[in-house]
Amino acid sequence: DVKVTQSSRYLVKRTGEKVFLECVQDMDHENMFWYRQDPGLGLRLIYFSYDVKMKEKGDIPEGYSVSREKKERFSLILESASTNQTSMYLCASQENLPYNEQFFGPGTRLTVL
Amino acid sequence: GQQLNQSPQSMFIQEGEDVSMNCTSSSIFNTWLWYKQEPGEGPVLLIALYKAGELTSNGRLTAQFGITRKDSFLNISASIPSDVGIYFCAGQLRHTGNQFYFGTGTSLTVIP
Repeated sequence: DVKVTQSSRYLVKRTGEKVFLECVQDMDHENMFWYRQDPGLGLRLIYFSYDVKMKEKGDIPEGYSVSREKKERFSLILESASTNQTSMYLCASQENLPYNEQFFGPGTRLTVL
Repeated sequence: GQQLNQSPQSMFIQEGEDVSMNCTSSSIFNTWLWYKQEPGEGPVLLIALYKAGELTSNGRLTAQFGITRKDSFLNISASIPSDVGIYFCAGQLRHTGNQFYFGTGTSLTVIP
């Protein structure tokens, strides 16, 4: 079974702090994704990566950056957290084939005070 | 990004009832997925659809890939309390990479 793990289930940070969210997958998948989930808005793509050291902006990249130094690990960084970044963050991984589903981690619920 | 319209937004049903929900788009998709998310967890894949007109079942769940490629439907028969959760559709556009676009979700509550 594919396993996608996220470093924290719950996180509370203060405005202006730098925040790191870590995601690790154990199935050697090429593709990894970061989404945020907000009520009534569904899942919105922040960034994704098709390979090590490679990244692409999704629909809402502003205020975020990412890092992929190893194939199994994809990090989401909030350089200076703001209250409007309070959300559920979901990481997903996917094999690099045209019709393959994404597998999700359990999510990190981030609160920025 | 692409807009997927998912309806209804929420449903409150009695145990044993059947459930129907759908997703529509103005764009043509080449893949439709249906996920379920339970409280405090990430989405889990229920059904994947790859061809227009395809009808696929997974236990009490049945999903269909619309003929126009712009919509998909999910039905749950004889609902039970553990069906509670948020159901998401996800679509992948033709001629793009592996990015999926997600609907806004249908929140299902089953009353015993």
